[in-house]
Amino acid sequence: AQSVTQLDSQVPVFEEAPVELRCNYSSSVSVYLFWYVQYPNQGLQLLLKYLSGSTLVKGINGFEAEFNKSQTSFHLRKPSVHISDTAEYFCAVISREYGNKLVFGAGTILRVKS
Amino acid sequence: DTGVSQDPRHKITKRGQNVTFRCDPISEHNRLYWYRQTLGQGPEFLTYFQNEAQLEKSRLLSDRFSAERPKGSFSTLEIQRTEQGDSAMYLCASSSGDAHYNEQFFGPGTRLTVL
Repeated sequence: AQSVTQLDSQVPVFEEAPVELRCNYSSSVSVYLFWYVQYPNQGLQLLLKYLSGSTLVKGINGFEAEFNKSQTSFHLRKPSVHISDTAEYFCAVISREYGNKLVFGAGTILRVKS
Repeated sequence: DTGVSQDPRHKITKRGQNVTFRCDPISEHNRLYWYRQTLGQGPEFLTYFQNEAQLEKSRLLSDRFSAERPKGSFSTLEIQRTEQGDSAMYLCASSSGDAHYNEQFFGPGTRLTVL
């Protein structure tokens, strides 16, 4: 089974609209969860991470994500997107089941249109 | 600090040639990771170093691949007898501390094309 599944390969959205990028993981043990963003010709940059505590995590650039253990999900949301949010977004998990290394999903390309 | 740098940014080579990539991590970061990213996929872990010690290698890393971090600073990744299947983006990341969940800072990558 895929460790991390990003359900949408591309998400088009108009500027100032809300967006949700979906991420599900498969692990029966405790996990650490991450969202990274990759702008064209740049390295991956950490948006936010969940290690423990509050299930609602706030990150940079107005993004937030919610850890849902029962649904094994960690969806990324932003209430109002900007053109500059156009990028590829990667969900990643660290779990003992996968050798305690970062395991990435296939990515979701967010295209913000004016 | 200028972040993680990688050199070259692009490399085109013919099948069977050897190539070497360099990664300069953020100074004083003790951990250094190599990943490979193919089109339409997320990065896949290849190997990592804690200081100069290579602590783990993925089974993706065939015996044609070798990585070094001789003085615990920069690292090199060499691919011998390249194959077309080696075409990918090779990413380097660094972090501080002893936990994999510490933030990893990524370089811009080296894009390898094997003809």
